[in-house]
Amino acid sequence: GAVVSQHPSWVICKSGTSVKIECRSLDFQATTMFWYRQFPKQSLMLMATSNEGSKATYEQGVEKDKFLINHASLTLSTLTVTSAHPEDSSFYICSAPGGGNQPQHFGDGTRLSIL
Amino acid sequence: QKEVEQDPGPLSVPEGAIVSLNCTYSNSAFQYFMWYRQYSRKGPELLMYTYSSGNKEDGRFTAQVDKSSKYISLFIRDSQPSDSATYLCAMSVNTGANSKLTFGKGITLSVRP
Repeated sequence: GAVVSQHPSWVICKSGTSVKIECRSLDFQATTMFWYRQFPKQSLMLMATSNEGSKATYEQGVEKDKFLINHASLTLSTLTVTSAHPEDSSFYICSAPGGGNQPQHFGDGTRLSIL
Repeated sequence: QKEVEQDPGPLSVPEGAIVSLNCTYSNSAFQYFMWYRQYSRKGPELLMYTYSSGNKEDGRFTAQVDKSSKYISLFIRDSQPSDSATYLCAMSVNTGANSKLTFGKGITLSVRP
């Protein structure tokens, strides 16, 4: 089945630093990937749609200059949280459709803690 | 009114019980319906995927969709402690690259040995 790999799984860093999260489709190509954020005991909230070879599409209220998305290849999308602050601490999850009419498959998420 | 409403939890049942999880939705354009299971500190794992009204069975799991009532359900038979997790319903208008998902809030299930 379709497998999505996300790295790192957990990162702790100081306020003001930038953090890059990678999302890879391991056995299929993904022209589109999705980035979500999940706060404790809450559901997933879509942040942006990552499009291979073009600009990402951001959901309302998501700062595109803070959450930089790059989708340079058919198997890799990256999310960079720039100048991270404690309120950016959350669980970030990516997903990709498995091809054809398959639904989205999710990575295992990245737990980001900003001190 | 939220687009997708999911029964609130948490839910605790004894091992072997039949579990019924439900979601309602308001957007009649939704055509594709999914149930995901999420263990703590992990990403969601696809359990069931349906795109028509009716029932779909996979092992101990049955997904039911009623488009006329805008209502979907997931039934778990012979529940096991390993089924303890958060269950999320999700739906979309399209598939593939245009499959932006709308999630329910999720319900945490605990199966007691």
